[in-house]
Amino acid sequence: GQQLNQSPQSMFIQEGEDVSMNCTSSSIFNTWLWYKQDPGEGPVLLIALYKAGELTSNGRLTAQFGITRKDSFLNISASIPSDVGIYFCAGPGTGNQFYFGTGTSLTVIP
Amino acid sequence: GAVVSQHPSRVICKSGTSVKIECRSLDFQATTMFWYRQFPKQSLMLMATSNEGSKATYEQGVEKDKFLINHASLTLSTLTVTSAHPEDSSFYICSASFGSPDTQYFGPGTRLTVL
Repeated sequence: GQQLNQSPQSMFIQEGEDVSMNCTSSSIFNTWLWYKQDPGEGPVLLIALYKAGELTSNGRLTAQFGITRKDSFLNISASIPSDVGIYFCAGPGTGNQFYFGTGTSLTVIP
Repeated sequence: GAVVSQHPSRVICKSGTSVKIECRSLDFQATTMFWYRQFPKQSLMLMATSNEGSKATYEQGVEKDKFLINHASLTLSTLTVTSAHPEDSSFYICSASFGSPDTQYFGPGTRLTVL
């Protein structure tokens, strides 16, 4: 199956700092999705990207669909404690397949 | 927004027993439901995809006789873990879609512990 690798694997930052994480794929994706998962819960969709080069914002979150269609970036500005969680990139493969990235764990220190 | 529920949220069972997990789309009709498994500190791994009224499509390495999936209606899919063993202990998450796979709404997950 397709592999989505995320980096960094984990981040520890001070409240108020900006955060940047990325996701790379071994093959081309036509859609990139970013999810946040809180402990013991299902993922919640943050941002969806449908076009190479697209830059989309959702509040303090901004995501970009890489021009090669093999990567995507998520930035969080002015982090707050509730940003804590695991962030996953994801994308559909062929048919109904759906792949999640390896995840980036974010800890925000007040 | 679209809401997906799962029941139970937690279950503990003895080795060798079977466990059924329900996934419901509460305010929309889901043409496709997905089942994922997530081990601690790992990503979600797709187990199977089910379309209403037809047999589920299982990912490579997932035993269809062990993980029985039924998608009897547009709002309900069930996953039955048969003859559960401790290595089946995991967080099972379903999602539902009424269109393309990139429009998935996730349930809150079910924590299965097999003793």
